[in-house]
Order: sequence, then structure tokens, then C-alpha cells
Amino acid sequence: DQQVKQNSPSLSVQEGRISILNCDYTNSMFDYFLWYKKYPAEGPTFLISISSIKDKNEDGRFTVFLNKSAKHLSLHIVPSQPGDSAVYFCAASADYGQNFVFGPGTRLSVLP
Amino acid sequence: DTGVSQNPRHKITKRGQNVTFRCDPISEHNRLYWYRQTLGQGPEFLTYFQNEAQLEKSRLLSDRFSAERPKGSFSTLEIQRTEQGDSAMYLCAGGGSSYNEQFFGPGTRLTVL
Repeated sequence: DQQVKQNSPSLSVQEGRISILNCDYTNSMFDYFLWYKKYPAEGPTFLISISSIKDKNEDGRFTVFLNKSAKHLSLHIVPSQPGDSAVYFCAASADYGQNFVFGPGTRLSVLP
Repeated sequence: DTGVSQNPRHKITKRGQNVTFRCDPISEHNRLYWYRQTLGQGPEFLTYFQNEAQLEKSRLLSDRFSAERPKGSFSTLEIQRTEQGDSAMYLCAGGGSSYNEQFFGPGTRLTVL
């Protein structure tokens, strides 16, 4: 039973446009959410996080939105750049970071 | 570069052999995590250390797996009597006082023949 789902295995976007990556979760006890980016042959790199007490967090070109009632969060990248092409993982925690549950990832391709 | 190193980067072994991986976080990382990642999946949590104390272990961590973090610095993950299903990328991550971030190493890719 996947507690964190990323239903789009892949996404292609034109350079300069908005990329929207989605994540759904089933465990209502999750109180912290993170997005990671992963390039081939490297470990995941932390991008942005959001606490369940917020509904939006912004950092430069990256914004994460959280809809607790729908158990849904999304990562917006504006404007998208070719260097953003990577696999993006959504992760969630229910116990102050002792155990993180990751989604299966979405491969983003930003086309020049 | 997160400062977290893992060795070896690749390991090929025969079924039934024991393997040991090492993770070296930076000194500020009092938290340390081990994950396993298979193709097309996200990292799966294996175990978590707060300093030298192993505070949580996943059900995925069978009795063939053991992890240690002596003195709260580097950590080792040992797999005994490896099976083909153990073939995966093993990721280590360090974290500091802010629990909302983990800094991943590059991983050790294990192939069990």
C-alpha cells in the first residue's frame, strides 16, 4: 500500500513554461512534506519543504502547495529550465523526521 | 556536494556472500538514515540513527540486515547471505538539528549475481 503516490511517471514541458508536479498521500498523520530532485548517478537533493500548518511555501522558482483536505501537494517550477530535467520525489513524514516515506518519482524533461 | 560520502560506489557479489557498506556524513549530522531504492521506485526507509542510537527500523530490514553507527559518526550497513532481491541502490542521508532536511550521499549500487 503506497502511502505517497506520484501518479505521473513522466512530464515534458517547454523551457520557460510552468512545470507542475503532483503528489497525493493517504496517511492523515503526515505533517511534513518535502520535494527532492535527483540526477542520474547522484543521491536525491533537497529542494523545498512544507509543514502541514501552511498551505504554500515559496523559494525562488519553486513553490509547493499543500491541500490537506484533499491530501494533495504540488510543486510548481516557474520558469522551467533545461537544468531542471531530473526525477522529482515527493516525501512525507509523520514523526518529526524519524521516518520519511517517498513517492515513486516523476521524471521531468524540460525541452529547449 | 552534500558532504556525505558512501563507499564503495558499486559492489557486485555472489548470492550467499556478506557485504558491508559505509557512510560518512559530515560532523554536524547527528541524524543518519539508510534507504534502499530499486528501479522506478522512490527511496524506501530502512533505518534511522540519532547519534549512535538506532531509533527506528523498517520491517524491510530483515534479520540479515544490520546497521551500526559507533560513536555517532560514520555508519555501516551489513547484509548477510545476500539474495538476488537485495540488488538495489543503498542510500545514506545525514541530517542536522532541523529535521526537515536530509542530505543524501551518492549511494552504493549492489548487484547480487
